[in-house]
Amino acid sequence: DQQVKQNSPSLSVQEGRISILNCDYTNSMFDYFLWYKKYPAEGPTFLISISSIKDKNEDGRFTVFLNKSAKHLSLHIVPSQPGDSAVYFCAASVNTGNQFYFGTGTSLTVIP
Amino acid sequence: DTAVSQTPKYLVTQMGNDKSIKCEQNLGHDTMYWYKQDSKKFLKIMFSYNNKELIINETVPNRFSPKSPDKAHLNLHINSLELGDSAVYFCASSRTGTVINSPLHFGNGTRLTVT
Repeated sequence: DQQVKQNSPSLSVQEGRISILNCDYTNSMFDYFLWYKKYPAEGPTFLISISSIKDKNEDGRFTVFLNKSAKHLSLHIVPSQPGDSAVYFCAASVNTGNQFYFGTGTSLTVIP
Repeated sequence: DTAVSQTPKYLVTQMGNDKSIKCEQNLGHDTMYWYKQDSKKFLKIMFSYNNKELIINETVPNRFSPKSPDKAHLNLHINSLELGDSAVYFCASSRTGTVINSPLHFGNGTRLTVT
């Protein structure tokens, strides 16, 4: 039973444009959400997070938006750079717990 | 300075064998995890230890046995390997407590291939 879903397995974007990666979740108890970035042959690395008390969190070129009513979050990368090409995983958790639920990832390719 | 290191990086073995994957973290974290990424790229938790105590044990065959000699190490031993065990196994660690400000730090993974 997959509680976090990333329905787009891949995305291609031109350099300089915006990349939008989407994530949906089913468990209304989730109150903390994270995005991880993964390069081939490496482990995922933490990118940005958001608590359910916010609807937006920004860190440089990366912004995460949370729509609790729709149980949806998205990661915006502006402007996209070739070095952003990687697999992006969405993850969710209950803040009082220590178990993270991951989506299956979206492979982003930024075309120079 | 590798924060979470796991060995080996690649492991090829035959069905029925017993193998171990080692993991060490130098971040001073209290909680360590094993995740499995299957062929569908789904990252799923297997185990979690907090200060050497097992706190999460998902539905995993008991052929898989984690061992934590201290809070900086969490090893995974697999008995009687099966074809379906082929996957990438990731070790991770985090600080204890609420998940805010305690994201997971992953190792680079161990690609296990069972033939």
